[in-house]
Amino acid sequence: RKEVEQDPGPFNVPEGATVAFNCTYSNSASQSFFWYRQDCRKEPKLLMSVYSSGNEDGRFTAQLNRASQYISLLIRDSKLSDSATYLCVVNRNSGNTPLVFGKGTRLSVIA
Amino acid sequence: GAGVSQSPRYKVAKRGQDVALRCDPISGHVSLFWYQQALGQGPEFLTYFQNEAQLDKSGLPSDRFFAERPEGSVSTLKIQRTQQEDSAVYLCASSLQQYSNQPQHFGDGTRLSIL
Repeated sequence: RKEVEQDPGPFNVPEGATVAFNCTYSNSASQSFFWYRQDCRKEPKLLMSVYSSGNEDGRFTAQLNRASQYISLLIRDSKLSDSATYLCVVNRNSGNTPLVFGKGTRLSVIA
Repeated sequence: GAGVSQSPRYKVAKRGQDVALRCDPISGHVSLFWYQQALGQGPEFLTYFQNEAQLDKSGLPSDRFFAERPEGSVSTLKIQRTQQEDSAVYLCASSLQQYSNQPQHFGDGTRLSIL
């Protein structure tokens, strides 16, 4: 099983739609979780950290389920500018260990 | 600018040549990371520095890859005797503190093509 797995997509959704991505991770000791966004031929940028209690930032909501070892990202009221690849990121183990990136889920928001 | 700066943006080299990629992190950032990103994949961890100390190099694919950060600021990733499979985007990231729950700020990357 890969350390971090994501559905590569693409997800093609109309403007205004709600879309959700899931990600699973293999190491139950992982403690740090993030969603990064990467535009085509650009560098990854932090979208949001993911906390155990779940967290929301505007139209974006992230959830963590430790028991099932998955992380989700919900985007409400999709905008054209949300089109990008969304990378699920987990630290490899507990403590200060390298981050492991998923392959990313590609989202295209269509007018 | 205030972000992570990488140079060159693009590098083309012939198989067997040595290349050196530079990363200038955000001023004051303690941690520096190198990643390799192949087409259609997520970034893969290569190595990590805390100040000048290389604390983890478990991701370096072979002994042809070498990284240094001698003064705890600028870092160089060197690839010796390049092979075609080394073609990828090499990303550098820095973070303010040493802990993995800190956000990492990425540079634009160096796109390396080996002919």
